[in-house]
Amino acid sequence: DTGVSQDPRHKITKRGQNVTFRCDPISEHNRLYWYRQTLGQGPEFLTYFQNEAQLEKSRLLSDRFSAERPKGSFSTLEIQRTEQGDSAMYLCASSLSGRAGNEQFFGPGTRLTVL
Amino acid sequence: AQSVTQPDIHITVSEGASLELRCNYSYGATPYLFWYVQSPGQGLQLLLKYFSGDTLVQGIKGFEAEFKRSQSSFNLRKPSVHWSDAAEYFCAVGGLNTNAGKSTFGDGTTLTVKP
Repeated sequence: DTGVSQDPRHKITKRGQNVTFRCDPISEHNRLYWYRQTLGQGPEFLTYFQNEAQLEKSRLLSDRFSAERPKGSFSTLEIQRTEQGDSAMYLCASSLSGRAGNEQFFGPGTRLTVL
Repeated sequence: AQSVTQPDIHITVSEGASLELRCNYSYGATPYLFWYVQSPGQGLQLLLKYFSGDTLVQGIKGFEAEFKRSQSSFNLRKPSVHWSDAAEYFCAVGGLNTNAGKSTFGDGTTLTVKP
């Protein structure tokens, strides 16, 4: 069990550029979540997958955001035409369905700075 | 809709003193409740969780929390704080496992420990 990993850990980009983040969940976990955390706030839910199916998306996830989990393993989160308001920490978590309480394990996050 | 309130934005305690961090939740059914700790620039680490049964739950690093349904609270406690406990603490509520519930987080309490 190597835990949830995220890449890159830090990303600095210019407004209007596209960025893509990757999340590798714990290998046996079939659920994967994306959250966004801004300074002074708790994590806010963005979307989640069960296997390769994207089952829920938050209203926070505008049309510029897209997430995929093509083989039910790793996931990518892409932000197109980045805006300064997208600057945040993007957290990924995974869990195993059927496990009481749906305990989620979090990765270290990707810190995005949009200049 | 589920929600979490952490009334204290910032708490300062002396090393060796006791600690209580407050958490109130709103949820329409039996909640699953969590406390996480986050060090600067890091992801979230689970301290403890409540699903059912004994309302006093023990966690890692000497933390405990008590679920009080009548008060919709899940306060975190530690009898003697160590300098290494300085961090940000998040309370979260999750839904039934069958709903693959996303977690809803409070905005966190920052703990400062004085020597």
